[in-house]
Amino acid sequence: DIQMTQSPSSLSASVGDRVTITCRASQGISNYLAWFQQKPGKAPKSLIYAASSLQSGVPSKFSGSGSGTDFTLTISSLQPEDFATYYCQQYNTYPITFGQGTRLEIK
Amino acid sequence: EVQLLESGGGLVQPGGSLRLSCAASGFTFSSYAMSWVRQAPGKGLEWVSSISGSGGNTYYTDSVKGRFTISRDNSKSTLYLQMNSLRAEDTAVYHCASPGAVLPVPDAKHWGQGTLVTVSS
Repeated sequence: DIQMTQSPSSLSASVGDRVTITCRASQGISNYLAWFQQKPGKAPKSLIYAASSLQSGVPSKFSGSGSGTDFTLTISSLQPEDFATYYCQQYNTYPITFGQGTRLEIK
Repeated sequence: EVQLLESGGGLVQPGGSLRLSCAASGFTFSSYAMSWVRQAPGKGLEWVSSISGSGGNTYYTDSVKGRFTISRDNSKSTLYLQMNSLRAEDTAVYHCASPGAVLPVPDAKHWGQGTLVTVSS
C-alpha cells in the first residue's frame, strides 16, 4: 500500500499569512494527488486534483504542486474561513490512501 | 449539479448488518466509478471501497474484505454498501464520492453529506 505522510500535523497561523502543507508518498504516484478541505461536521471539499489543477469554483489563493512523491498545498492570504483540516489523497493505485490530515488553526 | 444523498445509517449491534444507499443525480452515473469513504469520530478520512462504472470491478480496503460488498444499480443511479459482521471499529460517518473524470482509479470530486453508522451493544 502507498503511505501518504502529511506535515505538519497541525499548524497555527494568522489571518493574512501564507502557509504550505506538504504530502509525501511512500512511492511514486505521478500526479494522481488530490487535496481536500474539511470543516467540522461537514463533508470534505475537493480543492485540487491532478496535483496542481484547481477545482472549479475554488479560489486561486489555493495552489498545489509536485509530482512523483513530494507534493505541496499552499494557501495564500489566509482568511477566517480557511481555518480547517486539510487532507491529501493518492489515487494512483488501489488501495486509495489519504494523509493523516493537517489541522490549520488561528494563532 | 451533482448531488449525492446517502441513507441507511443507524445504530446496530456488533455482528449485525446494514445496507447503505447513495442516490446520485446530475451526471451520467453509469459512466463513473464510485467510492465509499468513511470517517470515524475524531479521526481522518479512510477509503473503504470503489466500484467501476459497469459494476464489474470492485475494490476494498483490507479491513472490510469479506464483510462489506459494494454494488450499484445504474438504472436507479444508486450506489450501495452492504455491511455485514459489523464491528465497533466500523463506527463512522460513511460518505459516497464521485470523481471528476473517468479514471482507472477515481478521485473524489463530489461528496455526499454522509450517513452515520454506530456499532454498539
